[in-house]
Amino acid sequence: DQQVKQNSPSLSVQEGRISILNCDYTNSMFDYFLWYKKYPAEGPTFLISISSIKDKNEDGRFTVFLNKSAKHLSLHIVPSQPGDSAVYFCAAISSGSARQLTFGSGTQLTVLP
Amino acid sequence: NAGVTQTPKFRILKIGQSMTLQCAQDMNHNYMYWYRQDPGMGLKLIYYSVGAGITDKGEVPNGYNVSRSTTEDFPLRLELAAPSQTSVYFCASSTGTMNTEAFFGQGTRLTVV
Repeated sequence: DQQVKQNSPSLSVQEGRISILNCDYTNSMFDYFLWYKKYPAEGPTFLISISSIKDKNEDGRFTVFLNKSAKHLSLHIVPSQPGDSAVYFCAAISSGSARQLTFGSGTQLTVLP
Repeated sequence: NAGVTQTPKFRILKIGQSMTLQCAQDMNHNYMYWYRQDPGMGLKLIYYSVGAGITDKGEVPNGYNVSRSTTEDFPLRLELAAPSQTSVYFCASSTGTMNTEAFFGQGTRLTVV
């Protein structure tokens, strides 16, 4: 039973355009959501996060949107750059837990020059 | 600042052998985690620890053991390796406080043949 789902295994966009990565979740106890970026042969690195009390968080070219009623979040990258090509994981943390992450299966983003 | 350090980076084991994956962090984080990532999948939690002397099972603990004798170190022990344990293993740490991210090591790629 996947509590965090990323239904698009891959996404290709042109350099300079917007990349939109989507994530759905089922557990209402999640109170914090994160996006991690992963290059081959490296560990995941933190990109951006959002608390469940907010609906938007922005950091430079990266913006995360949270729609609690739909249990949906998305990551927008504008403008996309070739260096953004990586696997992006959506993750969530449940309130009252040991702050362990529950991960989606990832989306491979390819930004074409 | 080294962050989270995992050793070894690669290892090939024969079925039935045992080994310990090492993980150390220098950020004085109380919370530490072990995840495994299978191809095309997200990371799944094996074990976690909220402080020295305290460990608990995650989603996929079978075939593994952990110990936490110090704040810095969180080794993962594989007893009687099986082909199903072929995976990439990631160690992570965090402060455990609200709205903070976890930091990951570079991973250990393990193949059981």
